[in-house]
Amino acid sequence: TQLLEQSPQFLSIQEGENLTVYCNSSSVFSSLQWYRQEPGEGPVLLVTVVTGGEVKKLKRLTFQFGDARKDSSLHITAAQPGDTGLYLCAGAGGTSYGKLTFGQGTILTVHP
Amino acid sequence: GAGVSQSPSNKVTEKGKDVELRCDPISGHTALYWYRQSLGQGLEFLIYFQGNSAPDKSGLPSDRFSAERTGGSVSTLTIQRTQQEDSAVYLCASRPRLGGSYNEQFFGPGTRLTVL
Repeated sequence: TQLLEQSPQFLSIQEGENLTVYCNSSSVFSSLQWYRQEPGEGPVLLVTVVTGGEVKKLKRLTFQFGDARKDSSLHITAAQPGDTGLYLCAGAGGTSYGKLTFGQGTILTVHP
Repeated sequence: GAGVSQSPSNKVTEKGKDVELRCDPISGHTALYWYRQSLGQGLEFLIYFQGNSAPDKSGLPSDRFSAERTGGSVSTLTIQRTQQEDSAVYLCASRPRLGGSYNEQFFGPGTRLTVL
């Protein structure tokens, strides 16, 4: 069974601070996705990383895929209250062909 | 818009009753998934349909849970004899056919099920 360990589970910070969320596994994934979910809505895809060592930037968000394609991180610079939500990482490929393996999620709260 | 839709958005039922949850995927998407999400938690995979292939039911927690997909489009998740531990948000997602999208999934808003 493939597992993705996501940390931290909860993060409460002040506006303007930086933060990093981690997603780790002992399994290799062909790609890794990050989703953001707001209350009452379904998750929305933020980014997909495919190549080991890949770095993608989306405004103040920086996503990195580990060289061995077993881990990933999401870094937010100068967090804003609008960044508040549940962040989920999800791995594709490996033994779960056609399915995604989701991490447990990180609940981020950014206080004004 | 042409996103994934789910109905009802909220469902309150009594323990022991059966419920049906509906998902309308994005037109043309060949894969459809059902997940369960407890409050503020990650997603628990339930079942996966891909085209005309037999569904992957490996995530269904018990034989009280079943799902079907008619005509390769709309799907219904049925929970029989509901229990309080079935209370959760049930999310549906669809995806274009394999090979072009790294399994990127598009989610509906979910159905919040409360079993009293």
